[in-house]
Amino acid sequence: DADVTQTPRNRITKTGKRIMLECSQTKGHDRMYWYRQDPGLGLRLIYYSFDVKDINKGEISDGYSVSRQAQAKFSLSLESAIPNQTALYFCATSAYSYNEQFFGPGTRLTVL
Amino acid sequence: AQSVTQPDIHITVSEGASLELRCNYSYGATPYLFWYVQSPGQGLQLLLKYFSGDTLVQGIKGFEAEFKRSQSSFNLRKPSVHWSDAAEYFCAVGDTDDKIIFGKGTRLHILP
Repeated sequence: DADVTQTPRNRITKTGKRIMLECSQTKGHDRMYWYRQDPGLGLRLIYYSFDVKDINKGEISDGYSVSRQAQAKFSLSLESAIPNQTALYFCATSAYSYNEQFFGPGTRLTVL
Repeated sequence: AQSVTQPDIHITVSEGASLELRCNYSYGATPYLFWYVQSPGQGLQLLLKYFSGDTLVQGIKGFEAEFKRSQSSFNLRKPSVHWSDAAEYFCAVGDTDDKIIFGKGTRLHILP
């Protein structure tokens, strides 16, 4: 089984809808991250969490919120989706500072 | 804030030819540097990382990278590419607050 899983893998939704993307990990890592990937822009950090009680905004947090339900689970929500949130979203985990990040397979989100 | 520049958006090489992907970073102190690879439809995977010590770093899949402080560069090299190396490659640098900043990526195309 994969160490970092993301659900759903693909989602098409409409403008104004609330969407939740879920990430689970079995690596036992404390640190978890949500990134957004757009063609030509690389990966941009949305939110990150160093433990269950520590949530931090990244470079592009506007329009997003997160919940760290447990060490192993980190969810990303779009309260009211808009078309420019159409992107590929990745969850990642790491064991400690500046260490290797392990990525999930990604969720492709399309907002119509 | 730190930044990473990958000057080449696309690179095309013939199978069996050598490869060099360029990466420049901005950072005041000794940086934490990474190269990740993203195969089509996949998440990112770490190829190699540099924290300190020997400036020539060996990674997986036959890749290596050289840290050159005087040029603020961390270029990725491979002596002979294989068709399976076709992917997108991301250079990244450790930022403050234990974050990692990714470059915009270089897409590698392999000619048979």
